[in-house]
Amino acid sequence: EDKVVQSPLSLVVHEGDTVTLNCSYEVTNFRSLLWYKQEKKAPTFLFMLTSSGIEKKSGRLSSILDKKELSSILNITATQTGDSAIYLCASTDSWGKLQFGAGTQVVVTP
Amino acid sequence: GAGVSQSPRYKVAKRGQDVALRCDPISGHVSLFWYQQALGQGPEFLTYFQNEAQLDKSGLPSDRFFAERPEGSVSTLKIQRTQQEDSAVYLCASSPRARGNTIYFGEGSWLTVV
Repeated sequence: EDKVVQSPLSLVVHEGDTVTLNCSYEVTNFRSLLWYKQEKKAPTFLFMLTSSGIEKKSGRLSSILDKKELSSILNITATQTGDSAIYLCASTDSWGKLQFGAGTQVVVTP
Repeated sequence: GAGVSQSPRYKVAKRGQDVALRCDPISGHVSLFWYQQALGQGPEFLTYFQNEAQLDKSGLPSDRFFAERPEGSVSTLKIQRTQQEDSAVYLCASSPRARGNTIYFGEGSWLTVV
């Protein structure tokens, strides 16, 4: 059975800290891995990772895929209170069907 | 439209009532997905349309759930005889191509069954 597992399930950090979120997957017909940020509304797209070992960056966020280990990490440096959200990892097949993990809830305290 | 639009945004239904949730995808988008997100969980796949064809409905939890997209644009997710466990956010997403990863989500329909 296909599954996507995220860890930790939640964490609390202080502003300025760096956080690392983990995602592992066991999925048939894997095409790519996506990260989303969800703040009480629709998930908003962060990254799509298809190739192993190539880091993608957007401001203070970065992510990388390891196809050998079937995993990905999302890093957030110099965290701000606005980074507080649920971060979702999802695998996608060739049709675009997403298999989500349960998410990691990040709380950044001032 | 500018984005994926869902209605109603919030719905409270009495147990046993039927509900219909509407999704207006981005104009011209071929693919349309429905997901169910229970509190504290990630979204779970329900069903997928390519134009008007429902190609995958493996995620629909029971025969009380039915989805359609008769003209290949607007889609409706219908839940008959709602149960408390149906309480969740129902997310609709669309994608411009039949096989693609650029997926745009609507803001969801929050269903509470009392």
